[in-house]
Amino acid sequence: AQTVTQSQPEMSVQEAETVTLSCTYDTSESDYYLFWYKQPPSRQMILVIRQEAYKQQNATENRFSVNFQKAAKSFSLKISDSQLGDAAMYFCACRGGSNYKLTFGKGTLLTVNP
Amino acid sequence: DTGVSQDPRHKITKRGQNVTFRCDPISEHNRLYWYRQTLGQGPEFLTYFQNEAQLEKSRLLSDRFSAERPKGSFSTLEIQRTEQGDSAMYLCASSWGGNTEAFFGQGTRLTVV
Repeated sequence: AQTVTQSQPEMSVQEAETVTLSCTYDTSESDYYLFWYKQPPSRQMILVIRQEAYKQQNATENRFSVNFQKAAKSFSLKISDSQLGDAAMYFCACRGGSNYKLTFGKGTLLTVNP
Repeated sequence: DTGVSQDPRHKITKRGQNVTFRCDPISEHNRLYWYRQTLGQGPEFLTYFQNEAQLEKSRLLSDRFSAERPKGSFSTLEIQRTEQGDSAMYLCASSWGGNTEAFFGQGTRLTVV
């Protein structure tokens, strides 16, 4: 079983600045995957970035990167050079290696100010 | 568009009525998932299929809920005798295998009045 906690219900950032969204998790599995999903208003959820727990190197996708601290069970998302289109609800999620269901946090609503 | 498709996008129903939602996954995807998302919460897992077999059901899925995936293609989620607590966004997702990205549909928003 997994639990995912996002302690920031809302965050805001100025356009072109950098913002970090926090996530902590707990899992009983030794093999697991972590994800950040973006859900714009009235649009479908899309995957932003994923991290395999067995990989020590932090994942990076263009302006998005993670800080994966396995011992602390922390998985934060950094968005660099924020753009207006980044405004959305962001969900952190965890999936065990032996099952396929995602466990989500409650989400962080990101506002990007022009 | 070859993404995950859900129909209808919105459904308003009276308490006690039955409703059925449809999900068409990405065509080559063998795994299909249903999630429920209530206001202010992240999605919660309901059930998942591998091809036509329903392999796991959450305790959230009461006996009023039933899901099918005939022939391993599209899936339906039926809620019988709807209650106001069933009001939520119902999300469908699909993936190829278990270790690949799950793609989500736009969801069906159910309002029970």
